[in-house]
Amino acid sequence: EAGVAQSPRYKIIEKRQSVAFWCNPISGHATLYWYQQILGQGPKLLIQFQNNGVVDDSQLPKDRFSAERLKGVDSTLKIQPAKLEDSAVYLCASSLTDRGMVSSKAFFGQGTRLTVV
Amino acid sequence: AQTVTQSQPEMSVQEAETVTLSCTYDTSESDYYLFWYKQPPSRQMILVIRQEAYKQQNATENRFSVNFQKAAKSFSLKISDSQLGDAAMYFCAYRSASLTSGSEKLVFGKGTKLTVNP
Repeated sequence: EAGVAQSPRYKIIEKRQSVAFWCNPISGHATLYWYQQILGQGPKLLIQFQNNGVVDDSQLPKDRFSAERLKGVDSTLKIQPAKLEDSAVYLCASSLTDRGMVSSKAFFGQGTRLTVV
Repeated sequence: AQTVTQSQPEMSVQEAETVTLSCTYDTSESDYYLFWYKQPPSRQMILVIRQEAYKQQNATENRFSVNFQKAAKSFSLKISDSQLGDAAMYFCAYRSASLTSGSEKLVFGKGTKLTVNP
């Protein structure tokens, strides 16, 4: 079975530039998550989608970060403009969970390592 | 807000020996899930084991088992017969079981780096 696909694997940009990450979840998974993992820390949720609707974006820095999940399948996360502190691994995950269902297992992609110089 | 604390930044174990990784958490909820994830250098988070808070029996998955102490808010991971492939970062994580908000975010600790010595 195909897993969660993310691209690119690595990205180096200068501060104030823009960058976009792409995620394709496991087929049929209703829920998609974007996590930010800064070096030496555990991942932190940025945004959660249920199909193409946003469920939780309370920790998303909305002045510079945006995300969309058109048609409820793949998703893009954008940073504009980037800051040095945005250097991190950006992990995408997906799960079958839909409202009212018992929570199901989240599957993670291999992430995108972003370096802002 | 829920918090997860892993007090051991690094641990090491000899191959075939047993090691225990510690995790404590803070929550006011009565129903929730706890997880241990493994993150190898490939960066992909892999679920190792899951525990539902309402279950008193400790979860077990082959060589991996947990010691869940709900009153103490403690959730440790025991790895038996350690193998070289177990070397990785291990993260403890919490997730609310509430379905009312719909948010199913995982709250992670800072991780423990496990080294397995041959």
